[in-house]
Order: sequence, then C-alpha cells, then structure tokens
Amino acid sequence: AQKVTQAQTEISVVEKEDVTLDCVYETRDTTYYLFWYKQPPSGELVFLIRRNSFDEQNEISGRYSWNFQKSTSSFNFTITASQVVDSAVYFCALRSLYNQGGKLIFGQGTELSVKP
Amino acid sequence: NAGVTQTPKFQVLKTGQSMTLQCAQDMNHEYMSWYRQDPGMGLRLIHYSVGAGITDQGEVPNGYNVSRSTTEDFPLRLLSAAPSQTSVYFCASALGTDYEQYFGPGTRLTVT
Repeated sequence: AQKVTQAQTEISVVEKEDVTLDCVYETRDTTYYLFWYKQPPSGELVFLIRRNSFDEQNEISGRYSWNFQKSTSSFNFTITASQVVDSAVYFCALRSLYNQGGKLIFGQGTELSVKP
Repeated sequence: NAGVTQTPKFQVLKTGQSMTLQCAQDMNHEYMSWYRQDPGMGLRLIHYSVGAGITDQGEVPNGYNVSRSTTEDFPLRLLSAAPSQTSVYFCASALGTDYEQYFGPGTRLTVT
C-alpha cells in the first residue's frame, strides 16, 4: 500500500524564521516520484517540485529547499527566511510506478501560517 | 499559455440535476485527470485519461462520467447530483503519468 503522512497539521511562525515541513511516505515500489504542491488561500494548487526515487540529491530553489532521504522514506521541505506570502497549505504527494493511472497520493497537508 | 482552465468557478445545484464541469489545457498534455478535494479526505482521483479517446476510473468514479474527444478538453459530467458531491473539483494535466500534474483553479460545487 502507498501512503503519505504529513504529521504537522498546522505550523505557525513569525516572518523571517526558517520552517521545515515534514513528509514521510510508504511504498513497496522501487520506482516512484515525490511532489510538493502549495495551496494558497485563493485555493489553486501550485506545483513546486518533482523528485524521482533514483535521485537523492537535495534541491534548492531560492528560499525553498528539499531534503530527500530514502533511508528514512522522507521528503522534507524547508522554507528559509519565511515571508507572509508563504502562508498556505502545503501538500506532499507520491506517484508510484504501479499506481493506478498516474494517481497522486496526497498527504493531508500542512497549513503554514507566517505572521508579520 | 493559459495552462489549465476550468469553468465554472462556482456552481449550486439541486439534488437530481445534472451538469458538466469544463476543463481545458493548452499545453498539449496527453494526461488529464479530475480530483475532488474534501475536508479530512484530501484529494481523491475521480477519472483520468492518458490520451484522446482513452479514459479510465479513479478511486471515486461513481456518479461521474468523462470523455476525451480531443487532447485539449476533458469535461466531467455529474449525472444526477447528490449532496455527497458537494466538493471542490480540480482538473489537472501532465505530459504523461510520471510527470508533474498542473492543476486548474478549481470549481466549488454545492448540491442542496
């Protein structure tokens, strides 16, 4: 069975703090893809990153960075120097090679609130 | 590039009515899908299509139909609306099943 767990339901930080959103996944497949999406208060889902299971290199994009560790089945997301515009619900998702029809399995989401 | 577009943004239906949620993409993506988002249930796949003329069921297909006559369009039809179909519906598209999916802005549907 495949599963994505985002244990942090809500996180509140003050602007300029660093924050890490945790994502733990379960799959028996050796080939899979992991994703992060952002859902701001306006409601749309914005793609942030895709990582395949054979690429454990960490990724940095501006203030965003991602740490993929197969040994702990985790794909954590860090925002450095958070800003109010980072306030959103963040979803981690898994696509296993054998998942039906490209289905993304989403975690329950972490609601991040960045206060000025 | 408009990306993925959905209409309408909001809709209120009475139980038993039917309607079609429209979805279109201009990225020449082969893969398209419909999800519904409900509090506490996350996002769940309704139907998907890997190319024009090909559709298949996701995990919650009951009460919904789809067709894919062109690469660009993937409408979702509610046959006889029920209160349990009150949800936010997202359409998405991707180059293929293993690629990132780009989501439309969503349709908020209320069935009374």
